[in-house]
Amino acid sequence: QKEVEQNSGPLSVPEGAIASLNCTYSDRGSQSFFWYRQYSGKSPELIMFIYSNGDKEDGRFTAQLNKASQYVSLLIRDSQPSDSATYLCAGKEGNYGGSQGNLIFGKGTKLSVKP
Amino acid sequence: NAGVTQTPKFRILKIGQSMTLQCTQDMNHNYMYWYRQDPGMGLKLIYYSVGAGITDKGEVPNGYNVSRSTTEDFPLRLELAAPSQTSVYFCASSRTSGRSSSSYNEQFFGPGTRLTVL
Repeated sequence: QKEVEQNSGPLSVPEGAIASLNCTYSDRGSQSFFWYRQYSGKSPELIMFIYSNGDKEDGRFTAQLNKASQYVSLLIRDSQPSDSATYLCAGKEGNYGGSQGNLIFGKGTKLSVKP
Repeated sequence: NAGVTQTPKFRILKIGQSMTLQCTQDMNHNYMYWYRQDPGMGLKLIYYSVGAGITDKGEVPNGYNVSRSTTEDFPLRLELAAPSQTSVYFCASSRTSGRSSSSYNEQFFGPGTRLTVL
């Protein structure tokens, strides 16, 4: 059973702090990962994509991938109340057995940024 | 571009009724997906399609059917609705497949359909 695990939270951080969101995955064949943000009652939107070990930075967001530990994280610097949302981690299925590389989503971590 | 559109936004069904959730994309994407999202849960893949005329089951296909007669449309059919199908349904599309490990196959999501089966 391929799984992506996330702490459901809620994670509460003060405005201006760094929010750290974590994700682990069971499928060793997974090579790339996505972070989606989902506001309450809305659809998910992609904020980060990473497939190489190490860090990838985009504005206030940094994604980190450690394939040996099967661990993905998302750091949000200078957190703002507008960052309050649920963050979904998704891993792409490994490319074997005719896999189309569909995404496997975690349950999401709810982040609350307090003014 | 409207992106991915879904209708209806909300629907209440009685047990045993049937309905079709509509999904249309205007981005000329080959790949389309149907997910369901239960409260506090992630997205579970119901069915997907890699192009017109080609569909395949995802993780939770029981109780659903799909068709893909055109690139733009990917309707989801619920037959004999059950309370367990109460959920939010999202349709998504992507330009490329996920076959390559580095392929940036961003999935674009529609606004969702909130379905309640009573």
